[in-house]
Amino acid sequence: AQSVTQLGSHVSVSEGALVLLRCNYSSSVPPYLFWYVQYPNQGLQLLLKYTTGATLVKGINGFEAEFKKSETSFHLTKPSAHMSDAAEYFCAVTSTQAGTALIFGKGTTLSVSS
Amino acid sequence: DSGVTQTPKHLITATGQRVTLRCSPRSGDLSVYWYQQSLDQGLQFLIQYYNGEERAKGNILERFSAQQFPDLHSELNLSSLELGDSALYFCASNRGGMNAGELFFGEGSRLTVL
Repeated sequence: AQSVTQLGSHVSVSEGALVLLRCNYSSSVPPYLFWYVQYPNQGLQLLLKYTTGATLVKGINGFEAEFKKSETSFHLTKPSAHMSDAAEYFCAVTSTQAGTALIFGKGTTLSVSS
Repeated sequence: DSGVTQTPKHLITATGQRVTLRCSPRSGDLSVYWYQQSLDQGLQFLIQYYNGEERAKGNILERFSAQQFPDLHSELNLSSLELGDSALYFCASNRGGMNAGELFFGEGSRLTVL
């Protein structure tokens, strides 16, 4: 079985500060890892994904994440927060095994203050 | 706009009733996924269909059922509703197969059970 743990249900940063959202996963097979963002009253949209290859992946809106197998982590970062980054962020895991769906963490709400 | 359409957007009903939520996937997508989002449980995977066949099953209650029709739209049926079924129900779609993780989400159907 696969699972995701997001450390910290709420993260608050100032505009221009570093954003770090933490995600740890559990998987008995090589994982595919994702970060999704949900703005108020909207569905989720993909920020970035890791499947194979380069462990540092870049996504939309200046976000990036690094897959660290030894730490079973996939933390999301952005060098400089913008007010428009305020949203809920979800880390998710799946695999190539048939019948495996995308399993989400409980989410982290990011607040950005001016 | 993700291309995934969900109806209705809002639904208020009473305990013990039955409702049907509808989802039209993106053009060309064969897989449909249903998720339930609530404050206490987060995003819970319910069920996946691929080209009309059930592909994966998550934490779906026996009171809930789903199907995917030949035109690929899907319906989620919720019966004998309880207060705890109040949640946001998301449908997502993708081509299916090895790219299973990159999902495109609708805006959700918000169900309130009184």
